[in-house]
Amino acid sequence: EIVLTQSPGTLSLSPGERATLSCRASQSVSSSYLAWYQQKPAQAPRLLIFGASLRATGIPDRFSGSGSGTEFTLTISRVEPEDFAVYYCQQYGSSPLTFGGGTKVEIK
Amino acid sequence: VQLVESGGGLVQPGGSLRLSCAASGFTFSTYAMSWVRQAPGKGLEWISGITGSGGSTYYAGSVKGRFTISRDNSENTLYLQMNSLRADDTAVYYCAKDWRSTTWYYFDYWGQGTLVTVSS
Repeated sequence: EIVLTQSPGTLSLSPGERATLSCRASQSVSSSYLAWYQQKPAQAPRLLIFGASLRATGIPDRFSGSGSGTEFTLTISRVEPEDFAVYYCQQYGSSPLTFGGGTKVEIK
Repeated sequence: VQLVESGGGLVQPGGSLRLSCAASGFTFSTYAMSWVRQAPGKGLEWISGITGSGGSTYYAGSVKGRFTISRDNSENTLYLQMNSLRADDTAVYYCAKDWRSTTWYYFDYWGQGTLVTVSS
């Protein structure tokens, strides 16, 4: 099973700052089959990115994904107030599907 | 697309519950579906999946032999039968729609979740 390690655990930022979230896999994720989700308190996760870099429908272009192999990154170019949340990566290159432990983006 | 879970609640250790997920807004039978759970204050765990036809299923080791996933494509409903429940099954259970039909990839739509609490 592929283990995903997200860092940092918590990211403290002010609105307008750039956020860089990391997701590291214990082995290569085939075909860059990596997704990112956003979860706000008491809400279900929402798909942001799939295929490592493709934005889901309706996701603002301030969100971008990059990476391949074992290193992936989610970048929020300028954090908006509604972006403070927990972000999870998920790999679907091999079974079982696995999630990272999450990165919380909090207001500084 | 709408996914609405039901069936959660408080159950004693060793008890059973059946979760349902009513789907609408898409052709249910052509997409794989999954259950993903989240223990209080914890991350996400994929526990079970079923292909669009219902012909293939997956279970995480933590639930294998105790939980059964099924679907009724004529009723657009996904189920999770949970038996021999333990305290560490306490979580919000989400129904999630996959992007494809014949295997599991990523989840483009999620239900609002239903809370299962296992406690005496």
